[in-house]
Amino acid sequence: EPEVTQTPSHQVTQMGQEVILRCVPISNHLYFYWYRQILGQKVEFLVSFYNNEISEKSEIFDDQFSVERPDGSNFTLKIRSTKLEDSAMYFCASSLQQASNTEAFFGQGTRLTVV
Amino acid sequence: KNEVEQSPQNLTAQEGEFITINCSYSVGISALHWLQQHPGGGIVSLFMLSSGKKKHGRLIATINIQEKHSSLHITASHPRDSAVYICAVPDGGATNKLIFGTGTLLAVQP
Repeated sequence: EPEVTQTPSHQVTQMGQEVILRCVPISNHLYFYWYRQILGQKVEFLVSFYNNEISEKSEIFDDQFSVERPDGSNFTLKIRSTKLEDSAMYFCASSLQQASNTEAFFGQGTRLTVV
Repeated sequence: KNEVEQSPQNLTAQEGEFITINCSYSVGISALHWLQQHPGGGIVSLFMLSSGKKKHGRLIATINIQEKHSSLHITASHPRDSAVYICAVPDGGATNKLIFGTGTLLAVQP
């Protein structure tokens, strides 16, 4: 069964360092998302991406964050200068369509720890 | 903006019990998602439903669009069902991103 894969599963980084979280969405999907979950809190939306550009972003997604789909398969989230409060589980998701009744497929997540 | 509420927040059950987790939302939607999050953190989609009822193995999900309410039932619960169960709804905006509930932490004891 096709799946969304994320790497690494766990990343520890020093405050102020840049991190890149990687995702390989399902191959024929067209819509891509990043969500995050701070420990003990709800999953929250960060950004959506379609047709090689950001289609929507949340208030959390400030200038420190960027997304890219560099080669038609990978979908990356970059945090330029990590802060302690960026520590969270980051989930990539993809879907075939944008319609509200389309299933979203999630990766296993990357646990980011900023120290 | 859609608000999603789940109850209960925590649930402990004995193996074999019938379990119900509830989800309500504030703005009408076309579909609702039930997701499972295991202790390792990964999220798995269980159901997407827009009306009536869906069944998969021991899991049953129902939705009442008029009441803006959905339930997830687990029959003959087993310790391996222990996980966080999350409902999520599309926000109805430009990208239909998902709005998540707080999750229900289920522990099934042998």
